[in-house]
Amino acid sequence: DQQVKQNSPSLSVQEGRISILNCDYTNSMFDYFLWYKKYPAEGPTFLISISSIKDKNEDGRFTVFLNKSAKHLSLHIVPSQPGDSAVYFCAASAWISGGGADGLTFGKGTHLIIQP
Amino acid sequence: DGGITQSPKYLFRKEGQNVTLSCEQNLNHDAMYWYRQDPGQGLRLIYYSQIVNDFQKGDIAEGYSVSREKKESFPLTVTSAQKNPTAFYLCASSFTRDQPQHFGDGTRLSIL
Repeated sequence: DQQVKQNSPSLSVQEGRISILNCDYTNSMFDYFLWYKKYPAEGPTFLISISSIKDKNEDGRFTVFLNKSAKHLSLHIVPSQPGDSAVYFCAASAWISGGGADGLTFGKGTHLIIQP
Repeated sequence: DGGITQSPKYLFRKEGQNVTLSCEQNLNHDAMYWYRQDPGQGLRLIYYSQIVNDFQKGDIAEGYSVSREKKESFPLTVTSAQKNPTAFYLCASSFTRDQPQHFGDGTRLSIL
């Protein structure tokens, strides 16, 4: 049962336009969400995160929006650049009893293609 | 330069053999993690460790083992009990769960 879902395997956007990547989750215990960018044969690179006490976090061209009632988050990239072409993963974590760090639950990724 | 080093980048194993993947970090992170990625899939958690000499099973721990004898190191052994070991393995670390995990560049394991 997938707890984090990225329903678009790929997305094509024109350079300079806005890219919007979506992510849905089912586990109401998730309280920390992240977006990672990944190139083939490399490890994911952290982009931006948001905790459940916020509904928006912004860092340069990247903005993440969180809608807790809908269990939905999205990543906006404005403006889109050719170097943004990569696979984007949404990830989430839940506080475990006893506290401490635990692993992330990842979606399957969305391949973003920026067209010139 | 601080970071996470995984070695080797490519690894080949004969069926029935155990193999150990290395992960070293010099970020002074307390927590370390191992994930597996299969084609077209997201990353799945194998094992994680919050502190030295402690580790916990993730979602797909069967056929794997780990150790955490030093803060900087978290090696993963893929045992012969792992029925489908061919995959891309990623190691990560973080200060705490409220901090982003940083990833190494991965090891691709293939069965000969």
